[in-house]
Amino acid sequence: KAGVTQTPRYLIKTRGQQVTLSCSPISGHRSVSWYQQTPGQGLQFLFEYFSETQRNKGNFPGRFSGRQFSNSRSEMNVSTLELGDSALYLCASTLGDRGPEKLFFGSGTQLSVL
Amino acid sequence: AQKITQTQPGMFVQEKEAVTLDCTYDTSDPSYGLFWYKQPSSGEMIFLIYQGSYDQQNATEGRYSLNFQKARKSANLVISASQLGDSAMYFCAMRGETGNQFYFGTGTSLTVIP
Repeated sequence: KAGVTQTPRYLIKTRGQQVTLSCSPISGHRSVSWYQQTPGQGLQFLFEYFSETQRNKGNFPGRFSGRQFSNSRSEMNVSTLELGDSALYLCASTLGDRGPEKLFFGSGTQLSVL
Repeated sequence: AQKITQTQPGMFVQEKEAVTLDCTYDTSDPSYGLFWYKQPSSGEMIFLIYQGSYDQQNATEGRYSLNFQKARKSANLVISASQLGDSAMYFCAMRGETGNQFYFGTGTSLTVIP
């Protein structure tokens, strides 16, 4: 079974631009979560989608948004990029309806904002 | 509110020795799950071990064991017979009773010395 796939692996953008990151979950998984990882703040929860609906949301500004498609693939969008958005963005998937399941993570997208 | 605390920013261990990585947590949920993940320099988060709050026995997975002390709200990871490939960041995480949001500690950087 293929794992969680995130594309692209690396991104370089400039302030004010927007960016879209993609995540394909493990086949059969309907929940996709996004996390931001920075050296200063660690791993912080952005949001979770389950069956195309946002089920949980972390404490991030509205510039961060996401969506999930009918095949469970998810995209995350960040508009009006700021220098502080430079981070490793990790996507994780689970079945989503089985209690405390472990998260299966992708390799992440390293975003650098210049 | 949920909180995970890892007080050891960095640890060193001699190859083939055992090492304990500390984790304490805070939650008001009666039911919760505790997880440990390993993050090598490649960035991907790798699941190691899981402990449910109602599990009577400490979890074990190969060379990994979780020393769960519910009254003290601690969930320390024990790695036996350390290997050079164990050098990585280790994160303790918790999932509450509801929702699929994980809370992560700040991590411990483990270096295995030959």
